[in-house]
Amino acid sequence: EDQVTQSPEALRLQEGESSSLNCSYTVSGLRGLFWYRQDPGKGPEFLFTLYSAGEEKEKERLKATLTKKESFLHITAPKPEDSATYLCAVQASAGGTSYGKLTFGQGTILTVHP
Amino acid sequence: EAQVTQNPRYLITVTGKKLTVTCSQNMNHEYMSWYRQDPGLGLRQIYYSMNVEVTDKGDVPEGYKVSRKEKRNFPLILESPSPNQTSLYFCASSQGWGGNEQYFGPGTRLTVT
Repeated sequence: EDQVTQSPEALRLQEGESSSLNCSYTVSGLRGLFWYRQDPGKGPEFLFTLYSAGEEKEKERLKATLTKKESFLHITAPKPEDSATYLCAVQASAGGTSYGKLTFGQGTILTVHP
Repeated sequence: EAQVTQNPRYLITVTGKKLTVTCSQNMNHEYMSWYRQDPGLGLRQIYYSMNVEVTDKGDVPEGYKVSRKEKRNFPLILESPSPNQTSLYFCASSQGWGGNEQYFGPGTRLTVT
């Protein structure tokens, strides 16, 4: 069974204080690992897809990295508008019985204070 | 505008009264999926569809039904709702095979009394 664990559950930062969010996963062959952002009262919004260990993706102040067991979402010099819940999900590779199934972690609630 | 729409946005119903939550996308996406989101449990997949007439179970399919007769629509059916199905429901779609660049709908808040 695929599993995703995110830590910490909640993170409070001062504006400009860089940090990282962790996503540990177990999956029977990784097809993709995904990061989404969710604002209160809204549906999640796609950020990144990572396919293989060593891959990195960047977007503005966010950088996602991937190893064989975990992914990190690094936030550099965050601003208050980066406050949101960040979700991580995995999808198993094709060839399995349920390769379209997605498993999400519980999310990390990020609050950035001005 | 590319979007996923869900209806209704809010619904209060009673135990056992059949209901359908509609989901429609205008992006010609192959993949569609339903999730429920509960405090402390995160986002959990109910059912997904890789294409028309192809559906499969996610992690929490019990008590739910889906159908995919047209590419753009993916309704979620609760034939006999129970209070433990009170939740926030999201529909999503993507081009291709799943989690990459999923577009989520605005959510449907369901309360079953």
